[in-house]
Amino acid sequence: GQQVMQIPQYQHVQEGEDFTTYCNSSTTLSNIQWYKQRPGGHPVFLIQLVKSGEVKKQKRLTFQFGEAKKNSSLHITATQTTDVGTYFCAGRLSKLIFGQGTTLQVKP
Amino acid sequence: DTGVSQDPRHKITKRGQNVTFRCDPISEHNRLYWYRQTLGQGPEFLTYFQNEAQLEKSRLLSDRFSAERPKGSFSTLEIQRTEQGDSAMYLCASRQSGGGTTNEKLFFGSGTQLSVL
Repeated sequence: GQQVMQIPQYQHVQEGEDFTTYCNSSTTLSNIQWYKQRPGGHPVFLIQLVKSGEVKKQKRLTFQFGEAKKNSSLHITATQTTDVGTYFCAGRLSKLIFGQGTTLQVKP
Repeated sequence: DTGVSQDPRHKITKRGQNVTFRCDPISEHNRLYWYRQTLGQGPEFLTYFQNEAQLEKSRLLSDRFSAERPKGSFSTLEIQRTEQGDSAMYLCASRQSGGGTTNEKLFFGSGTQLSVL
């Protein structure tokens, strides 16, 4: 079936280090969205990428959409403890399919 | 509060019982989605409505699950004859369609945590 794969599953970093999570689809996506879920919370929308090769920035967060629209990445520069949570990509095929998420732990 | 509301927040039930959850979307949103999330996994699509019409239902969804959105506003998700494998967080989300591909942001509710004993 249609799947969106996300790696790594977990990432532990020291505060101030960078963090990257990767998302891959076997089929071309119409668009890709990223969500953040804090522990005990619900997914909160971060951004949507639509165009091939698109790059968007939100402060310390950089989102990329691959040229073939099959992969995407989220990079956080100089992590802070407030970045803790699980980051999900969600690829749009006929419906929105979520990856398994990458859980980020930040050690102060 | 103009966000997506779900009720109840927690539900504990015995195997074999029926349960019903409610979702109140953001009022101007015509699309309403149900997702299920288990620990360590991303939200898994169950079904969605545009107004009162149920447009898609996951093939993974057994016939014990049914959802309604009778007046195109709130929605209910019912699980009949619950099984332990139904234990999960049930998330509702809504959005307004019609913006092409540029505005597909989903607004999630806080979810209903179901525990089947």
